[in-house]
Amino acid sequence: DVKVTQSSRYLVKRTGEKVFLECVQDMDHENMFWYRQDPGLGLRLIYFSYDVKMKEKGDIPEGYSVSREKKERFSLILESASTNQTSMYLCASSSYVAYGYTFGSGTRLTVV
Amino acid sequence: GESVGLHLPTLSVQEGDNSIINCAYSNSASDYFIWYKQESGKGPQFIIDIRSNMDKRQGQRVTVLLNKTVKHLSLQIAATQPGDSAVYFCAENTAAGGTSYGKLTFGQGTILTVHP
Repeated sequence: DVKVTQSSRYLVKRTGEKVFLECVQDMDHENMFWYRQDPGLGLRLIYFSYDVKMKEKGDIPEGYSVSREKKERFSLILESASTNQTSMYLCASSSYVAYGYTFGSGTRLTVV
Repeated sequence: GESVGLHLPTLSVQEGDNSIINCAYSNSASDYFIWYKQESGKGPQFIIDIRSNMDKRQGQRVTVLLNKTVKHLSLQIAATQPGDSAVYFCAENTAAGGTSYGKLTFGQGTILTVHP
């Protein structure tokens, strides 16, 4: 069963901490995406990557960075976590030839 | 910018009824559309997709209809069950020829509640 795996379902971090959210896919997909999901705001794209070591800013990249050193892994980094980054974070992947995304189960991050 | 929107944020139906969830899109260049289902505490799951060269596509208990004239997309669920209760998102892709990746634009979502 192909899937996208996010390393943590729930995380609680303190303000100012550096936070790493990990995502791994086993479908050999070229594209990977990080979204955050907030009530009333829907899914908002933070960053995406269409190849190893490539990254593109999405709609709300401020306060985040990403890393894609291997094709299967896409990491989201919060350099200095703030309370307004409390959210559900969703990772997704897709291939060049099929645009449908496969999503992970999400990481619910709480910054206190 | 271009966006995908939904007419109804919530929909309540009785078990066994048919459900129709609607979505309006504004980008006439969009060529591929997807419906996702998201249950509480989970990531969105693919339900069904349709390309712009089609008007209708059927899956198991679900049908997607595409009306390009009025830029409207709908998801029909037959014999709705309590397990269908979830948030449903439409998404569109605008793939220019030769684009090497697709980036979906998501609607806000409709909450479907199925009463036993």
